Amino acid sequence: DIQMTQSPSSMSASLGDRVTITCRASQSISRWLAWYQQKPGKAPKILIYDASTLESGVPSRFSGSGSGTDFTLTISNLQPEDFATYYCLQANSYPRTFGQGTKVDIK
Amino acid sequence: QVQLQESGPGLVKPSETLSLTCSVSGGPMIYYWSWVRQSPGKRLEYIGYVHHTGDADYNPSLKSRVTISLDTSKRQFSLNLSFVTAADTAVYYCARLYDTNAQGHDWFDLWGQGILVTVSS
Repeated sequence: DIQMTQSPSSMSASLGDRVTITCRASQSISRWLAWYQQKPGKAPKILIYDASTLESGVPSRFSGSGSGTDFTLTISNLQPEDFATYYCLQANSYPRTFGQGTKVDIK
Repeated sequence: QVQLQESGPGLVKPSETLSLTCSVSGGPMIYYWSWVRQSPGKRLEYIGYVHHTGDADYNPSLKSRVTISLDTSKRQFSLNLSFVTAADTAVYYCARLYDTNAQGHDWFDLWGQGILVTVSS
């Protein structure tokens, strides 16, 4: 199985901040990575797929980059509704595997 | 608008079989349909998928205990997980797998709201 490691596991940020979350795969997954946002008691919501393609309806302050083993999710100008936990998912091979999550809370 | 909804018992006894159903409203049934679970405080875990062609895949960590089936006439797919233990306590999500470029690199684009299943006597 491909192991996905996110960093940091948690972070505190202020409104308007630029936030960067990284995800590292244990082997190359080309650009086959997705990012999800999950709020307490809710299902994950797709934000980005194919490493950098923004899902329809997702605000443009979310962006993704990377290829191979190293990927980044960036949230510019953090908004109140962005405080949540973020997960990466490798879509290169089965079984699909997720990162352990990064919780973004209010500083 | 496509919506997914899980249903089933919220409490299962150890060594018994966990059975859940996902009802799909709207849209065609030609996709790959999947189950994902999330144990308390833990990461999301892929369980498996089923396709209307009969194709199915299971996570090797659960393969010996899992069956996922699809009934397109009822617009439902189901999860059976046998010989459950407390480690199977989790929120179970049904989800649709989607791939824009048909290269097999699909991701979970639509999710049900999730159902908490507790394994306890």
